Amino acid sequence: DAGVTQSPTHLIKTRGQQVTLRCSPKSGHDTVSWYQQALGQGPQFIFQYYEEEERQRGNFPDRFSGHQFPNYSSELNVNALLLGDSALYLCASSLGLYSPLHFGNGTRLTVT
Amino acid sequence: AQSVTQPDIHITVSEGASLELRCNYSYGATPYLFWYVQSPGQGLQLLLKYFSGDTLVQGIKGFEAEFKRSQSSFNLRKPSVHWSDAAEYFCAVGSNTGNQFYFGTGTSLTVIP
Repeated sequence: DAGVTQSPTHLIKTRGQQVTLRCSPKSGHDTVSWYQQALGQGPQFIFQYYEEEERQRGNFPDRFSGHQFPNYSSELNVNALLLGDSALYLCASSLGLYSPLHFGNGTRLTVT
Repeated sequence: AQSVTQPDIHITVSEGASLELRCNYSYGATPYLFWYVQSPGQGLQLLLKYFSGDTLVQGIKGFEAEFKRSQSSFNLRKPSVHWSDAAEYFCAVGSNTGNQFYFGTGTSLTVIP
């Protein structure tokens, strides 16, 4: 049973560029959440997708956008990258509300 | 708003010794509480969760946690630590809508032989 998979594992971008991160949820899960984890910090909620719609959003600017596909996989897009966007981006899947999150290993984004 | 505080940034214990990691939460209703562990370069793995019922919950890898409403705490414990337990530990509380988790800043655990 495959868990949550994320790609790529590492990414280096230049300030001002755009990036797309991808996530496939755990089999049977229908909800995908994205978190940003800065170095030495806990994960911060970006947004959650369910039935191909953004269900809830954290305190992140509109430069951060996402999408969920009919097969429940998801993408996170970040435009106009800033140095401060350098972080580990974690995708988590779940089934329904209040259920535990299952995390992927993350994508390490470095903005130079 | 919900929040989580993990007062200990870093803890060092000897292998075989007992462990307690502290977690305090801020939440208006019955909280949904979780402990996760993160090894270097890895995602977060769920250790245990509390939704309701028995305030002492058992998790994987021999961990347990006790929910104390009067103290707004959900401390993680293990009777005998193994070297493989060295990792970063995160406490989290679920939002009242069930859509997002609020994480603490984590406690880094070092295990010495």
